[in-house]
Amino acid sequence: GNSVTQMEGPVTLSEEAFLTINCTYTATGYPSLFWYVQYPGEGLQLLLKATKADDKGSNKGFEATYRKETTSFHLEKGSVQVSDSAVYFCALRDTNAGKSTFGDGTTLTVKP
Amino acid sequence: DAMVIQNPRYQVTQFGKPVTLSCSQTLNHNVMYWYQQKSSQAPKLLFHYYDKDFNNEADTPDNFQSRRPNTSFCFLDIRSPGLGDAAMYLCATSRAGQGAQETQYFGPGTRLLVL
Repeated sequence: GNSVTQMEGPVTLSEEAFLTINCTYTATGYPSLFWYVQYPGEGLQLLLKATKADDKGSNKGFEATYRKETTSFHLEKGSVQVSDSAVYFCALRDTNAGKSTFGDGTTLTVKP
Repeated sequence: DAMVIQNPRYQVTQFGKPVTLSCSQTLNHNVMYWYQQKSSQAPKLLFHYYDKDFNNEADTPDNFQSRRPNTSFCFLDIRSPGLGDAAMYLCATSRAGQGAQETQYFGPGTRLLVL
């Protein structure tokens, strides 16, 4: 079956630090890959996505590249802000649409 | 502009007292989902509707039911809430036909507290 493994948290960084949150996946077929962000008390918001190998998704300074050879979709940001503090979920959706598989989430705290 | 709306944002119910959570969408998407999320864990899919076709996950308790009277609305009914059902309930939608590229749009969630 499909699975998503995320870097365990929590992650605590100082403002303007570089961020990497690792995500690897196992899937049959040709999945699309997603990063969602969840702020405290809120639902999930789509942060970025990539639909095929070597695609790079980007949004709000965050980037992730779909690496088929390493089955990875690591999230990066060059300079984090306090407002980036949230829980980040990596997810995949395979060709058998109707179900997404989520990682367990990584909590990021950015301190001023 | 709100696209997936969930009401109420917070719901308090008593142990064993039926409760209904509602979700509406302005996206005209034909697929709607209900997820349960506990303590910042990964969302767990309970069921989804593909148009009017209901798809239940194998491990969703019988205590959870859903109704979709039209494209825009979907309800989650919990017939006899237990303490273990306290969680955030997330509604999501997507437009079918794009296969793996379908993007799910989530509502803000309803946090359910069972006393």
